[in-house]
Amino acid sequence: SQTIHQWPATLVQPVGSPLSLECTVEGTSNPNLYWYRQAAGRGLQLLFYSVGIGQISSEVPQNLSASRPQDRQFILSSKKLLLSDSGFYLCAWSSGGIYGYTFGSGTRLTVV
Amino acid sequence: AQKITQTQPGMFVQEKEAVTLDCTYDTSDQSYGLFWYKQPSSGEMIFLIYQGSYDEQNATEGRYSLNFQKARKSANLVISASQLGDSAMYFCAMREANQAGTALIFGKGTTLSVSS
Repeated sequence: SQTIHQWPATLVQPVGSPLSLECTVEGTSNPNLYWYRQAAGRGLQLLFYSVGIGQISSEVPQNLSASRPQDRQFILSSKKLLLSDSGFYLCAWSSGGIYGYTFGSGTRLTVV
Repeated sequence: AQKITQTQPGMFVQEKEAVTLDCTYDTSDQSYGLFWYKQPSSGEMIFLIYQGSYDEQNATEGRYSLNFQKARKSANLVISASQLGDSAMYFCAMREANQAGTALIFGKGTTLSVSS
């Protein structure tokens, strides 16, 4: 069966520090991968998606970047965090078909 | 323009009552999919129900049904016989067939509170 792992669950980082959030998928190959951000009490904003290794598309200009070094690994990074980067970050994958959108358990990032 | 609009920031309902959560969408595609997700306070995203644009019948999954009105571009979620455990945030989302990466686009959500 397919599973998605996302860590850490919570993170408190000072302004100006770097960030690396990792997401891995098991039990499938060549998934479409997504990073979403959710501000407190708000909807999910698509940040990045990837349809293959090394292929990253950005939806919103921002302080963040994403990479896909392996087929089932998706990394969200920042060189210098801003207060506005605080939020709940969700990784998701899909097979590209109608169903199959599965979300990770999320990372609550607080930038202080 | 927003692709998914959820106009109800919060809804309040008593146990065993039915509740309708509104969702309207905007697309020029003929082929698309509409989804509803539930997000409890833990943050996990729980898939509830799916409706394809070519599906002639409204989708149903247990106590959840989707009132799909294609001409009006609306896809309202109906929860019958509400339970305390239904208290959560609910998101409507859309996937367009021609959208690269087939990412889901979400509305801003509706917070549902069920009281006893």
